[in-house]
Amino acid sequence: ETGVTQTPRHLVMGMTNKKSLKCEQHLGHNAMYWYKQSAKKPLELMFVYNFKEQTENNSVPSRFSPECPNSSHLFLHLHTLQPEDSALYLCASSQVEGYEQYFGPGTRLTVT
Amino acid sequence: ELKVEQNPLFLSMQEGKNYTIYCNYSTTSDRLYWYRQDPGKSLESLFVLLSNGAVKQEGRLMASLDTKARLSTLHITAAVHDLSATYFCAVDMETSGSRLTFGEGTQLTVNP
Repeated sequence: ETGVTQTPRHLVMGMTNKKSLKCEQHLGHNAMYWYKQSAKKPLELMFVYNFKEQTENNSVPSRFSPECPNSSHLFLHLHTLQPEDSALYLCASSQVEGYEQYFGPGTRLTVT
Repeated sequence: ELKVEQNPLFLSMQEGKNYTIYCNYSTTSDRLYWYRQDPGKSLESLFVLLSNGAVKQEGRLMASLDTKARLSTLHITAAVHDLSATYFCAVDMETSGSRLTFGEGTQLTVNP
């Protein structure tokens, strides 16, 4: 595997479910990011981790819970989501925070 | 609050024609990025512009940055169908601790 990978690529979940999105980067980077891309809206930064430490929480509701166990892996734990949370969730990484970001393929999430 | 505005948001052009996409931003920034996104795919980095007057070219695309005017342009020369995609500019605002703020994207369709 090369670059930034995300699993699953597609996810359908009910509002009472708990699921997790996974991101892995194979670039030796130290910063990782979660973005949300909704239809007809700009990409929204959700969370930033730099050297495993969370450095940004962009007023994200608590039903989204990030986890960064090491510099290569980033998770987004989801619980009791709302239909408006349906979107494409993109993970990105960079050498360190502030450098050029490389994006994964995204997880298309549908909340029913 | 940093605002990044792209125009046009939708662009339909014929093959062989030239056109320019504009990206305006509201506060001082040292770095500007252009990304391409194909439908259902992730973001692909096209250009990184790091200083006033920077110009970069790759194939039929040329990007420039004027930090004094807070303006970047993405010029398309002799468009081909393969350039059909959504193009995003993203600005790195120093005061936000190096966070990317994205424009809404320009959806480009090149018709035969």
